[in-house]
Amino acid sequence: AQSVTQPDIHITVSEGASLELRCNYSYGATPYLFWYVQSPGQGLQLLLKYFSGDTLVQGIKGFEAEFKRSQSSFNLRKPSVHWSDAAEYFCAVGAGSGGGADGLTFGKGTHLIIQP
Amino acid sequence: DVKVTQSSRYLVKRTGEKVFLECVQDMDHENMFWYRQDPGLGLRLIYFSYDVKMKEKGDIPEGYSVSREKKERFSLILESASTNQTSMYLCASRLQGLPNQPQHFGDGTRLSIL
Repeated sequence: AQSVTQPDIHITVSEGASLELRCNYSYGATPYLFWYVQSPGQGLQLLLKYFSGDTLVQGIKGFEAEFKRSQSSFNLRKPSVHWSDAAEYFCAVGAGSGGGADGLTFGKGTHLIIQP
Repeated sequence: DVKVTQSSRYLVKRTGEKVFLECVQDMDHENMFWYRQDPGLGLRLIYFSYDVKMKEKGDIPEGYSVSREKKERFSLILESASTNQTSMYLCASRLQGLPNQPQHFGDGTRLSIL
């Protein structure tokens, strides 16, 4: 079975500084990887996804993520954070079998705090 | 644009009640999902549905059931609510096909069982 680890429960970053959120996955075959963001009281919004091809993927709101098969990682980055980026971030992996219809496995989330 | 609507943002029920959480999507998606979200545990899959009248157990189905009579609607049922089912419940839908199709989420229902 697949699993996702987000090692950092909380991260505090100053506004304007760069950001990297870590995600490690465990899955035997080629994973389908996603990053979602959740603002307080809201549902999850898709930031970006990786399926195949270029290992550096661009997403919305200036985010990008890099897939590294050798490290089983899919870290999320942003060069300069804004106060509005404060939120909960979830990494998720989807299995290839079942066409993805059998749900995602989520990490436990990283809470991002932005300092002025 | 994709729209997943959960009928209630906040819900308060009593122990032993039968509780219905409703979810409607307007994208003609085949796949629908129910997750619960708890602090420190992330999202955990309760049930999912491949298509109308089809349902499969997820990771934590105990104490829950689901109904999918129409393609656009997926209901989560707590047969006899208990306090340990107090949680945030998130519904999602997804277009059937390649596994990289993303799930689209509703805004969630925060359920309190007293």
